[in-house]
Amino acid sequence: DTEVTQTPKHLVMGMTNKKSLKCEQHMGHRAMYWYKQKAKKPPELMFVYSYEKLSINESVPSRFSPECPNSSLLNLHLHALQPEDSALYLCASSPAGEGDTQYFGPGTRLTVL
Amino acid sequence: GQQVMQIPQYQHVQEGEDFTTYCNSSTTLSNIQWYKQRPGGHPVFLIQLVKSGEVKKQKRLTFQFGEAKKNSSLHITATQTTDVGTYFCAGYSGGYQKVTFGTGTKLQVIP
Repeated sequence: DTEVTQTPKHLVMGMTNKKSLKCEQHMGHRAMYWYKQKAKKPPELMFVYSYEKLSINESVPSRFSPECPNSSLLNLHLHALQPEDSALYLCASSPAGEGDTQYFGPGTRLTVL
Repeated sequence: GQQVMQIPQYQHVQEGEDFTTYCNSSTTLSNIQWYKQRPGGHPVFLIQLVKSGEVKKQKRLTFQFGEAKKNSSLHITATQTTDVGTYFCAGYSGGYQKVTFGTGTKLQVIP
């Protein structure tokens, strides 16, 4: 299995909702990432997990809460989001660490109403 | 913090013409990676450069890493419509311990 999967593909939520994004990889990669990408912009790093421990948090608001239950899974819990949080949320993994090649999932297109 | 800029922001070329995008980092990099993102898609890894002055080729694509390890370029020879997309460089700095994506160059190929 050489891919990163993400669910759901699309998500529409209200500002009072609680939802979660899920990411999975079975390549034995040791680092996993969450990125946020707005239209016509580059991916913007949010969180990095290395060996299942949070190693980088790019000063992301607490309404985004990451979780790494095991080496293959990465979740992003969403609560009380704002309309400006609408974006493509990308998950990626890399074999070794932060400087290694990253393999991206297809992303979750999030719309906050 | 670390900044990675790319020029041009947009490029329209006739099919068969060459294309080059340039990437410049504010800091010295440990390595640089290149990714391609098709419209509506996700970034896909193309290549990683590690050594100063390194040049790598993939068919019609040529990648270079500058001598000072602060800049890089991607050159496509004889573009095809399948080359359409946004090309991102992504620089890794050991000091910052993270990859920073460049601003991207969007390539449009006119058939």
